[in-house]
Amino acid sequence: AQSVSQHNHHVILSEAASLELGCNYSYGGTVNLFWYVQYPGQHLQLLLKYFSGDPLVKGIKGFEAEFIKSKFSFNLRKPSVQWSDTAEYFCAVVSSNTGKLIFGQGTTLQVKP
Amino acid sequence: DAEITQSPRHKITETGRQVTLACHQTWNHNNMFWYRQDLGHGLRLIHYSYGVQDTNKGEVSDGYSVSRSNTEDLPLTLESAASSQTSVYFCASMLRRDTEAFFGQGTRLTVV
Repeated sequence: AQSVSQHNHHVILSEAASLELGCNYSYGGTVNLFWYVQYPGQHLQLLLKYFSGDPLVKGIKGFEAEFIKSKFSFNLRKPSVQWSDTAEYFCAVVSSNTGKLIFGQGTTLQVKP
Repeated sequence: DAEITQSPRHKITETGRQVTLACHQTWNHNNMFWYRQDLGHGLRLIHYSYGVQDTNKGEVSDGYSVSRSNTEDLPLTLESAASSQTSVYFCASMLRRDTEAFFGQGTRLTVV
C-alpha cells in the first residue's frame, strides 16, 4: 500500500538556521512527489514538485528538495529560515498507477525571531 | 480566475444528522479528492474521483460518501454524523497525476 512518513513532527529553529525535513514514501512503482505548505489559518499551497529529471528541485521561497530513489526519500531543505516560514509542511506522493494523492503526517515548523 | 471553493466554511451539527459539504471547482479538473485534517494525523484521504460517475474509497471512508454527477462538483456526505467526524475537511482537484493539486479553503465541522 502507498504511504508517506515524515520523521519530524515538530521542529523549532532560530532565524537563519538551516532546515531539513525528512520524507520517506512506500510504493514500488513510479511516483510523483510534492511538498506543500500550510500557513496558519490557510489552505495548502505547493512549495515544489518532482516528476522526473534532475532529482534536485527548487521551489518557491528558497526551498529545495532532493529525490533519492534508492532511499525512497524526498527531503526538504532551506539554507536559512525566516520567521515567516513558520507553518506546517506536508510531503505528498501520487502514484502514477493509482492516481491517489497521499500525504504524510505533517511537520510543524516554528521559527523563533 | 479558476478556483476551488468549499461551503460552508464552518458547520456545527448534531450527532446522527446527515451533513453534506460542498466542493466546486472551475479548473475543469477530472481528479478530485476529499481529505480530513486532524492534529497528529496530517491529511487523510476520504474519497476521490477520476471523473464523472467515478468514485473511490480512500483510507478513512467509513461513514462518508461522495457522488460525481458533473466535472465541477464532488459533494461529501456524512450519512449519520458522529463526534469522531469533528475535523477540518479539505477538497482538492488535480488536472493530471503529474500536475499539482489545488486546495479549497477548508470546512471546519463540529459534531456535538
